[in-house]
Amino acid sequence: AQSVTQPDIHITVSEGASLELRCNYSYGATPYLFWYVQSPGQGLQLLLKYFSGDTLVQGIKGFEAEFKRSQSSFNLRKPSVHWSDAAEYFCAVGQGGSEKLVFGKGTKLTVNP
Amino acid sequence: EPEVTQTPSHQVTQMGQEVILRCVPISNHLYFYWYRQILGQKVEFLVSFYNNEISEKSEIFDDQFSVERPDGSNFTLKIRSTKLEDSAMYFCASSRDRYTGELFFGEGSRLTVL
Repeated sequence: AQSVTQPDIHITVSEGASLELRCNYSYGATPYLFWYVQSPGQGLQLLLKYFSGDTLVQGIKGFEAEFKRSQSSFNLRKPSVHWSDAAEYFCAVGQGGSEKLVFGKGTKLTVNP
Repeated sequence: EPEVTQTPSHQVTQMGQEVILRCVPISNHLYFYWYRQILGQKVEFLVSFYNNEISEKSEIFDDQFSVERPDGSNFTLKIRSTKLEDSAMYFCASSRDRYTGELFFGEGSRLTVL
């Protein structure tokens, strides 16, 4: 069965610092991978996705993620964090032929001024 | 920008009562979903819906759950006889295309079962 692990429950960074949120997945074939963000009081919003091709994908709000098959990882990065990036971030995996997304538990990001 | 809207934002109910959670998906979207998140747990898939029928459901989505698109705009989740363990945040989502994972989520309906 597919599973997604986000090892960090809570991360705190200073504004302007770089950010990396970790995501590991378990899935036999090449998965479809996603990062969603949930700001307080909002629904989940898609940041970026990987289906195939270039393993470095760009998303909205200056985020990027890199698919590493050998490490079963899809880590999210941002070179310089803004206070408005404070939110909860969810990694998710999907598979071809299924509409179901399997989510990780989420990582809550706090940004210090 | 179009968005998915959900009502109510919070509902408190007694165990055994029926609950209906409502969602208005984005108007040109064809695929509809319900997910839920129990406090401290992962966001879990419940069901997907297309062309007026369920296209996929999880093992969580048992006989006490049902979904309906009663008119051209609403998409509802009914829980027939609520249990304590149904307490969760329920998210509705919609998408224009299938299997892309590009879901647009509502803000969620928090259900508290006492």
